[in-house]
Amino acid sequence: DQQVKQNSPSLSVQEGRISILNCDYTNSMFDYFLWYKKYPAEGPTFLISISSIKDKNEDGRFTVFLNKSAKHLSLHIVPSQPGDSAVYFCAVRPQGAQKLVFGQGTRLTINP
Amino acid sequence: EAQVTQNPRYLITVTGKKLTVTCSQNMNHEYMSWYRQDPGLGLRQIYYSMNVEVTDKGDVPEGYKVSRKEKRNFPLILESPSPNQTSLYFCASSGQGPGNTIYFGEGSWLTVV
Repeated sequence: DQQVKQNSPSLSVQEGRISILNCDYTNSMFDYFLWYKKYPAEGPTFLISISSIKDKNEDGRFTVFLNKSAKHLSLHIVPSQPGDSAVYFCAVRPQGAQKLVFGQGTRLTINP
Repeated sequence: EAQVTQNPRYLITVTGKKLTVTCSQNMNHEYMSWYRQDPGLGLRQIYYSMNVEVTDKGDVPEGYKVSRKEKRNFPLILESPSPNQTSLYFCASSGQGPGNTIYFGEGSWLTVV
């Protein structure tokens, strides 16, 4: 049973526009929500996170939004740049645990 | 430089031939874990370790063993590999506590024929 779902396997966005990646989760017992970015032949790298007590966290071009009532997480990248082309994984951390539960990933392609 | 190092990066092996994937971190992290990545499934945790000599099963532990004799090392052992263990494997480490960032190694591509 997939607790974290990224329903879009891929997304294509023009350079300079906004990229919006979405993630849905099924369990309310998560206390941290994270986004990881992965380039080919590399491990996932941490991008941005948000705790369950907040609804927005911003870091430069990246903003994560958390809608707890809808059990929905999104990542906004603006403006999108070619170097943002990668696979993005959303991940959640169960309360009291240190592991991460990952979504399936979304491949983002930024077109020049 | 903070690093999680895995070896080998690429391996093709035959069914039943024992193999070990090593993992080492230089950040003095207490927590280490192994994940596998499969198409359409994201990353799933295999085993984790909260500290030396403390290990526990993750979500998909069948067919794997681990050990944590030293803080920096956390090898993944496949005693009798099978084709369904063909996957991309990631080692990860972090400090204790939910606010700590989890760092991943570069991955090990394993093919079992």
